[in-house]
Parts: sequence; structure tokens; C-alpha cells
Amino acid sequence: KAGVTQTPRYLIKTRGQQVTLSCSPISGHRSVSWYQQTPGQGLQFLFEYFSETQRNKGNFPGRFSGRQFSNSRSEMNVSTLELGDSALYLCASSLSIQSYNEQFFGPGTRLTVL
Amino acid sequence: DAKTTQPPSMDCAEGRAANLPCNHSTISGNEYVYWYRQIHSQGPQYIIHGLKNNETNEMASLIITEDRKSSTLILPHATLRDTAVYYCIVRSREGTGENNLFFGTGTRLTVIP
Repeated sequence: KAGVTQTPRYLIKTRGQQVTLSCSPISGHRSVSWYQQTPGQGLQFLFEYFSETQRNKGNFPGRFSGRQFSNSRSEMNVSTLELGDSALYLCASSLSIQSYNEQFFGPGTRLTVL
Repeated sequence: DAKTTQPPSMDCAEGRAANLPCNHSTISGNEYVYWYRQIHSQGPQYIIHGLKNNETNEMASLIITEDRKSSTLILPHATLRDTAVYYCIVRSREGTGENNLFFGTGTRLTVIP
């Protein structure tokens, strides 16, 4: 069974631009979560989508948004990029939204904002 | 979810057992202990989880104390590929409808040849 895939793997943007990252979950998984990892803040939860609806949200500004499609694939968008948005963005998929389901992470997208 | 405390770093000789401790003194009765690891610049990888009994799988063993206030992840024969940051996470499995994981700072394990 194929794992979680994320595209692109690497991205360089400049301040003020916007970016869209994509995540394809494991086949059959319906929940997708997004995390941001930076050296200073570690791994932090961004949001979770299930059945095309955002179910949970972390403490991030409104510049960070996402969506999920009917095939469970998810995208996250960051608008008006800031230098501090440089990070590894990780996507995790699980069978459902219930907390007892293990999460499987993708390789991440490394975003650099110049 | 209960807070966990882990040592920031540990070394282990290749081929020896790596024992990674975790304190979770405020764990509640319905919370499980999960372990994930993250090899440099990759996504976290699930290792094992348990409630109160010791657990073992092909990757590791998990020993949870009787009072459940601490646990130890054991990698029985550490290899260089086990060098990673190991995260101990405590979370409820009662279908809370919240699937987000709270990662602390973890333990950076370095396996030395």
C-alpha cells in the first residue's frame, strides 16, 4: 500500500507570495492533518480535515488555510508569506478522525521563504 | 492530553539496547502512551503504543510502570539507522474526535558505531 505523498518536496518563495502544498493520504484513509515543524517551535498542529470539513484547528493565523477534496486529498495554502513561515510542512493521514487511529506521516514539504 | 518529559539527548552503542525514558505523571486512566520517531528531515514514524501492559512489536518494546506515571521505550539492538528524535506522546483513545498529536521536544538518540 502506498504511503502518504506530499508535493512538492521543496519550495522556495519570497515574502508576500502565497503557496499551496498538496497531500495525498494512504488509500482508504479519510482524515488528513497538517503540521508545521520549525527549529524554534518544534512540531505544531495546524489543522485536520475529515469528509471535506475542517474538524480541528491549531493556533495559527488565518493566513494558513486548507481544504480537502472528495477523494480525501488535501491542500494547504499560506498567503502573504513571512520569513517565519519557513518550515517543514508535514501531512499525516489516518483512517478516521477518532483519536485511536494511528497517524501516518508523509515526507514533508520544505518551504523556504526569502 | 497529558504532558510528557523526556531527556533531550542520549547516546547508545551500536548493537546495544537503547532505553528511552518518558515521564507522564499526570496521565489519566483513559490515556495511552504513544511513541513516534523522526529521522532527520523525514516525517515522524509511528513505533508503538500501550495502555498499561508491556507491549512489543517488530520495532521495539514499551514498558509502562504499574502506576503508569512513566514508561521506557526499548530498542533491543540499536543500529545506526535508529539515530533519530524519539517522541513520547500521551493521548486519549476514547474517540474524542480530535486527532491532533502534541509533540514535545523529544529525545535525540545518537547510535554510535
